[in-house]
Amino acid sequence: EDQVTQSPEALRLQEGESSSLNCSYTVSGLRGLFWYRQDPGKGPEFLFTLYSAGEEKEKERLKATLTKKESFLHITAPKPEDSATYLCAVLYNQGGKLIFGQGTELSVKP
Amino acid sequence: GAVVSQHPSRVICKSGTSVKIECRSLDFQATTMFWYRQFPKQSLMLMATSNEGSKATYEQGVEKDKFLINHASLTLSTLTVTSAHPEDSSFYICSALGLALPGYEQYFGPGTRLTVT
Repeated sequence: EDQVTQSPEALRLQEGESSSLNCSYTVSGLRGLFWYRQDPGKGPEFLFTLYSAGEEKEKERLKATLTKKESFLHITAPKPEDSATYLCAVLYNQGGKLIFGQGTELSVKP
Repeated sequence: GAVVSQHPSRVICKSGTSVKIECRSLDFQATTMFWYRQFPKQSLMLMATSNEGSKATYEQGVEKDKFLINHASLTLSTLTVTSAHPEDSSFYICSALGLALPGYEQYFGPGTRLTVT
């Protein structure tokens, strides 16, 4: 069964304390993996798309990497404004259908 | 960047009435739009996929007669919740996929909070 699992469910960091969020997947024939940020009461905000193992993308304090079985979202020296829920989603088929993980709720304290 | 809007952002309605939610792609043509539902502290649950000019495809367990979807143009899809009940109260989010966007990148609207009293 196609599945996307994110860990941890919640992560509390001190400002400046770097860490990583994990997204593991079991999908036959990965066509793309997406990372989104979601603030409470808002829609997900697009961060990255990764298409093949070994690919990496960076944006400010965030860096996403992809292997054949999982993706990591590395957060370097986080700030309180990075607090949000981070969602990982796998492209299920060519129609654009996504399978979402449950998300990691990140809280960064000053 | 690609922008998707939703209207209204919040709606309160009485049980038994119908509510229409609009999803628009503002700066690109969306060949496909998706409708999701999200409960508190949970992830997004796909309800249906709509392609411009054709009938929507609903996920298993989603009542097509209750959640009517129309994708009348390349920039507009609507979700109508018919005969709403309190259990339909939720956060509804749409997303849009456009051929002009790189590699199936999907952009989300800000969501609509529906409360049925």
